[in-house]
Parts: sequence; C-alpha cells; structure tokens
Amino acid sequence: NAGVTQTPKFRILKIGQSMTLQCTQDMNHNYMYWYRQDPGMGLKLIYYSVGAGITDKGEVPNGYNVSRSTTEDFPLRLELAAPSQTSVYFCASSYSLVSGSSYNEQFFGPGTRLTVL
Amino acid sequence: AQSVAQPEDQVNVAEGNPLTVKCTYSVSGNPYLFWYVQYPNRGLQFLLKYITGDNLVKGSYGFEAEFNKSQTSFHLKKPSALVSDSALYFCAVPRSMDSNYQLIWGAGTKLIIKP
Repeated sequence: NAGVTQTPKFRILKIGQSMTLQCTQDMNHNYMYWYRQDPGMGLKLIYYSVGAGITDKGEVPNGYNVSRSTTEDFPLRLELAAPSQTSVYFCASSYSLVSGSSYNEQFFGPGTRLTVL
Repeated sequence: AQSVAQPEDQVNVAEGNPLTVKCTYSVSGNPYLFWYVQYPNRGLQFLLKYITGDNLVKGSYGFEAEFNKSQTSFHLKKPSALVSDSALYFCAVPRSMDSNYQLIWGAGTKLIIKP
C-alpha cells in the first residue's frame, strides 16, 4: 500500500512553461486535494475533488487546473508558470462516507518542490 | 469566520522535558480541531483530532491535546520530549461546518528538541 504518491519530487521551470504534477492514491479515497505550502505559511488549498469527474476551486486556484477522471489520479496542471508559483505542492486524500460532512484524516504525499525562474 | 492561530513560530525544549505547542481557534458552533506534523522533506501526517467528547485527546507518537472551550485553545502536549519529535506542527479547523475538504491551517510551529 503506497498511500499517496507524487511525481516529480523537484522541478525547475522557466517563466511561461507548463507542466503537470502527478498524484496517485491507492487507498480508494473519494476526496482528493491539492495544496501549496509557502515558507512560514500554512497550507493553502488550490483545488479539491469529492469523486471522479467532480472538481472544485479552493482558496488559491488561479493559474492552475485539475482533472479527476479516475478515483486514483488527480493531476495538477500549471499552464503558464510564474515566479509566484514557486512553492512546495502537496497532494492529499481522505475518505468520507457522507458527502459534505466528514472529519476523517487527510493522507499526504511527499510533495513536489517547484521553482519558477 | 473560522480561524486558527499558532502564536509561536518556534518552541525549544530539552529532551526529556514536557512540551506544549499552542493553538487557539475561533469558530462558530462546536469546533472540530486537528493536529498534523511535518517531518523535514516529508508530507504532513495526522496526529489527532477533537470532534466531541473528552477534552483530552490522545494521538500518535505519544502526543495528546487538551481542548479548552473557555480559553478557545487546543494545545498539543507530550510528557517527555524526544529528539525525534523535532518537526513542524500544524493546527487546523474546517472552513465550514458542513464539509471538511476546506481546512484552514495555522502557520505552523517549529519544534526543536535539544539533546
């Protein structure tokens, strides 16, 4: 049981380039999340998904896109990289029995450290 | 609006001494509170949560947290610190009471345990 896996671990992008951060979970969790973590700050939610085919914006969605075609995968797309997107990105997942009301723990991947120059 | 605050950027404790990492909250209604830990170059790991019931919540790695409604606090504690407890600790609360997918996170407290 690998849990939540993310690739790549590190990436350097030039301004204007695009890339996809991959996230996969093997726990059959219905909820998945993308966060960014900036130094000295708590996590900020970028996008989340409550199941395959359903995604929604979090606190800081601008400059990002997501898709959820399967339960396992939740990739995050950066279309036009900007220096403000330099951050550590975490994918997480959790399981909820009832839509909209669950306080189960979130399981996190190891993160992707992205630098945009 | 729901919020959490971690008033200390860093806490230094000698190994073997008790430790406390502070968290205060502001929520409407009954609070649901979480503690997570982040070891260097790793993702966050769940430690414990308060939903309802006993004010003292026990979690992973010997940690516990005390819920205090009158002081609106949820401090993380451990009776005897280990060097391996050195990490970044985050307190969190759901943004709204009808979902948990939007957690509001504290800024984190760096815990340093000195041998």
